[in-house]
Amino acid sequence: QQQVKQSPQSLIVQKGGISIINCAYENTAFDYFPWYQQFPGKGPALLIAIRPDVSEKKEGRFTISFNKSAKQFSLHIMDSQPGDSATYFCAASRGNAGNMLTFGGGTRLMVKP
Amino acid sequence: GAVVSQHPSRVICKSGTSVKIECRSLDFQATTMFWYRQFPKKSLMLMATSNEGSKATYEQGVEKDKFLINHASLTLSTLTVTSAHPEDSSFYICSARPTGNYGYTFGSGTRLTVV
Repeated sequence: QQQVKQSPQSLIVQKGGISIINCAYENTAFDYFPWYQQFPGKGPALLIAIRPDVSEKKEGRFTISFNKSAKQFSLHIMDSQPGDSATYFCAASRGNAGNMLTFGGGTRLMVKP
Repeated sequence: GAVVSQHPSRVICKSGTSVKIECRSLDFQATTMFWYRQFPKKSLMLMATSNEGSKATYEQGVEKDKFLINHASLTLSTLTVTSAHPEDSSFYICSARPTGNYGYTFGSGTRLTVV
């Protein structure tokens, strides 16, 4: 059972545009929702994360929007740059340290110059 | 910030041999570490949860005798791929998080190629 569904699978955006990636989850026990950025041959790096007590979190050009009732959250990348070209994964977990992350399927973003 | 070091970054081994991958938390203690496998252009698939001082918990379908996990200290977990075969070729990644911190940190990954 895929508990976190991510879309789109791939995305092409022009430089300066907005990249939007969406995720939906099923398990209402999840209380931590991070986004990871992964470059080829590297491990994922935490980009930004949100807890369900807020509906939006912004860090620089990256914003998470969270809709608890719809069980959806999204990543917005403003002023997208070619250096943002990477694979992005949403994830979710429960709060205890022993609980693992459940990942979405990933989105390959390409930002064209 | 929390740093997880994974070694080696790349390894090529002959079919039938064993390979050990190390995952170290450099500036925090990790009672739990996680091992993932990632196929090209795919998401991360959790293989097992490594628990310090006790047996690892394996996900369904993961052979515990092939993928041996040892978490001997609060800063080190190892994954040994035993009797490796070409189908074990993949990208293996570990992760951990400090107690009381929600953020998971990932190692840089190990590209295993079995020839």
